[in-house]
Amino acid sequence: QSALTQPASASGSPGQSITISCTGTSNDVGGYNYVSWYQQHPGKAPKLMIYDVNNRPSGVSNRFSGSKSGNTASLTISGLQAEDEADYYCSSYTSISTEVFGGGTKLTVL
Amino acid sequence: QLQLQESGPGLVKPSETLSLTCTVSGGSISSSSYYWDWIRQPPGKGLEWIGNIYYSGSTYYNPSLKSRVTISVDTSKNQFSLKLNSVTAADTAVYYCARHRGILWFSDWFDPWGQGTLVTVSS
Repeated sequence: QSALTQPASASGSPGQSITISCTGTSNDVGGYNYVSWYQQHPGKAPKLMIYDVNNRPSGVSNRFSGSKSGNTASLTISGLQAEDEADYYCSSYTSISTEVFGGGTKLTVL
Repeated sequence: QLQLQESGPGLVKPSETLSLTCTVSGGSISSSSYYWDWIRQPPGKGLEWIGNIYYSGSTYYNPSLKSRVTISVDTSKNQFSLKLNSVTAADTAVYYCARHRGILWFSDWFDPWGQGTLVTVSS
């Protein structure tokens, strides 16, 4: 199974909105509404931010939102803050009952 | 709240077997609503799903690692374990364990994660 495709990097200024894409195939992202997003700060474990495409766990800021169109899922962060600077990974269920992650996107807050 | 903690050797020789254990506290590994997963991250690289186990013992593995991986569970100790044999330098990574809500329950996510443990493969 191939990793989902994410841009290697993204950047934005405080207060701006930014969107990170995650592209797969009809065998993963496009075939199921089971895409999740994780935030990882340096040296830390990943943290669940969005699940099942567009659901936010309790305690996660409503500045984070998710969506999907076809084989591409997206994570949008609005009102960018310095603390949002981190690596972001998407994950999807696959048609062979496995899980696959994206390559990760390094978000820089300018 | 539920916590997971990885443990095991930090250094493994090439061609040998990597063995890690994840201890679950604050909840039961025998919960019928979750899988228990292993995920790894080579230094400076992205996340790679290794596989998972249900408390009953049923498993799913990443096809690229399937021939070398075994995941097992010990419900009496509230632990699950990873064995990866014939390791090479490419298996050097931070290994995480995580609780996984799977699609059997019409959802799919990993939370919480353990803090991770670095395993280096070197002679």
